[in-house]
Amino acid sequence: QVQLVQSGAEVKKPGASVKVSCKTSGYTFSSYGIAWVRQAPGQGLEWMGWISGYIGNTDHAQKFQGRLTMTTDTATNTAYMELRSLISDDTAVYYCARFGSGYLDLWGRGTLVTVSS
Amino acid sequence: ENVLTQSPGTLSLSPGERATLSCRASQNIRHSHLAWYQQKPGQAPILLIYGASTRATGIPGRFSGSGSGTDFTLTISSLEPEDFAVYYCQQYDTSPWTFGQGTKVEIK
Repeated sequence: QVQLVQSGAEVKKPGASVKVSCKTSGYTFSSYGIAWVRQAPGQGLEWMGWISGYIGNTDHAQKFQGRLTMTTDTATNTAYMELRSLISDDTAVYYCARFGSGYLDLWGRGTLVTVSS
Repeated sequence: ENVLTQSPGTLSLSPGERATLSCRASQNIRHSHLAWYQQKPGQAPILLIYGASTRATGIPGRFSGSGSGTDFTLTISSLEPEDFAVYYCQQYDTSPWTFGQGTKVEIK
């Protein structure tokens, strides 16, 4: 069964960092990439970036430059997204999603990250 | 970046009616690299259409996509109760990938 299982909800203070995991199973990890998309409360979807499952190259939206790190662990078929210097506007549900050719064909259930003092 | 504008913002229809959703891009999308997703409250999005017109695995035939260049359309031929949701388009032609702001299809 193909699935992406994300880590649990997090509460962070402003200025802190958060690392969300996305454990994959049921498919060949290196044949696909993982994208990260977030959704603020009551808002639409925002693409953050992606990482290749094969050689680990990445791309990300300019607004996250310097704050976002995406990595993979091929031994456990897990992808990670770390966002640093959190502010209240980073409060959102963070989704990982599998992609092969750019469209996102399988999504995790999401991880709620709350940034609050 | 390629800005996607969806219209209308909200579509109020009854079950059995036809829904037509629009997605307009600020720049040409090559190779029809456009996808549509459905999202219900509290759930992750699911892929409906990719390549502008190819239905994803398991998606019913009442969903269809069309268009090219800068103008794309998602059509639901006859709305079922489970189709009332928010729909997003996404381009994956150029970086940064972008989503439209969504169209909510609600029960009239």
